[in-house]
Formats: sequence, structure tokens, C-alpha cells
Amino acid sequence: DVKVTQSSRYLVKRTGEKVFLECVQDMDHENMFWYRQDPGLGLRLIYFSYDVKMKEKGDIPEGYSVSREKKERFSLILESASTNQTSMYLCATVGAGPSGNTIYFGEGSWLTVV
Amino acid sequence: AQSVTQLDSQVPVFEEAPVELRCNYSSSVSVYLFWYVQYPNQGLQLLLKYLSGSTLVESINGFEAEFNKSQTSFHLRKPSVHISDTAEYFCAIFYGQNFVFGPGTRLSVLP
Repeated sequence: DVKVTQSSRYLVKRTGEKVFLECVQDMDHENMFWYRQDPGLGLRLIYFSYDVKMKEKGDIPEGYSVSREKKERFSLILESASTNQTSMYLCATVGAGPSGNTIYFGEGSWLTVV
Repeated sequence: AQSVTQLDSQVPVFEEAPVELRCNYSSSVSVYLFWYVQYPNQGLQLLLKYLSGSTLVESINGFEAEFNKSQTSFHLRKPSVHISDTAEYFCAIFYGQNFVFGPGTRLSVLP
């Protein structure tokens, strides 16, 4: 089974702090994604990456950056956290193969910015 | 642009009753279709998917969905729900290398 691990499940940070959310996958997938999930808004794509050291902006990249130094690891960075970034963050990876593409999610990271 | 609509944000239903969660999509290219389920405090898990072939697809826990190309729909159904089906359900499309998710439908199964 594919395993997508988000190292922090629950975080509380202060406004202005720098925040790192780490995601690791064990299936050698090229494609990795960061979403945020908010009530009534569903999942919104922040950034994605198709390869090491490669990144593309999603729908809501403002206030975020990412890092992909190794294939298995995709980090989301909040340079200066703000209260409107309080949310659930989901990391995902996409595989391919005979059964087609499927997106696999981590358990999620709940971030509260106070 | 591609988009996914789930018209029902919340669906309450009594245990053992049937349920249908609606999903419509808009796309100018061929897509794959998915339903994901999210239980409280967890990430999303794949429920079922349509890639090609038979338009009716089934999951192992009794859900089914039917792809209707003319109506661009992929509604999710279950003939008899359980308390354990209480969760949020997301419809999604995949095209190229991108996924687009609907806003979700919260299914609440009442005793």
C-alpha cells in the first residue's frame, strides 16, 4: 500500500512564525501536491511538484512556498504565518500504472495560527 | 476550465435508508472520475473510480456510482446506509496530471 506520511498532525503557531509542514511518500511517485481544506470550500490546491527541485503554483499559492529536494519529500512552508492560514493541510501523491492514476492522501495536518 | 459541482453540502438520512450524493462535472477533455471519503480527523481515502468500461462501478462497502456522459454526472448511491457511513464525500475528476475536487457533501446517518 502507498503510504503518505505527514509528520505533524496538530500544530499551534503564533502569527508571524515560520512554519514547516513535512510530507514523505514511500512509492517513488513523481507527482506530489499540497492542498488546504476549509469548510464549504473543499480542497484547494496550493502547490504541486512533478519532479525533484521542480514546483508549480496551484490555485492559492500566496503566502506559501514549497521545497522538493528529494523525490520522496515535499515540504510546505509558511514564511510568516497568519490567522487566515488556520486550516487543515493535506499532502497527496499521484501514482500511475495499469489501473490508471489515483491520488493518495496523507492523514492531514491541522494548523492553528493564533 | 474543468470544474466539479456537488449541489448538496449536507445530507442527513436515517440508518438503513437509501442515499444518493450528486456530482456533476464540466470538462472539455476526457476525464477520469473518482469518489473519495473522509472520516472525521482523517485524510481522504479512495472509495471508487471510473476509468473506462462499464459505467457502473462499485466499492467494497456497498456504494456504487454510475457515469453518465450525456448528463456529465457521476452520482454516488447506497441502497442502505449504516451509522459508520457518516463522513464527508468528495467527487473528483482527473485530467492530464491534475485533480479537481468538488466542495464535498457531508453525509450524516441518523439512528
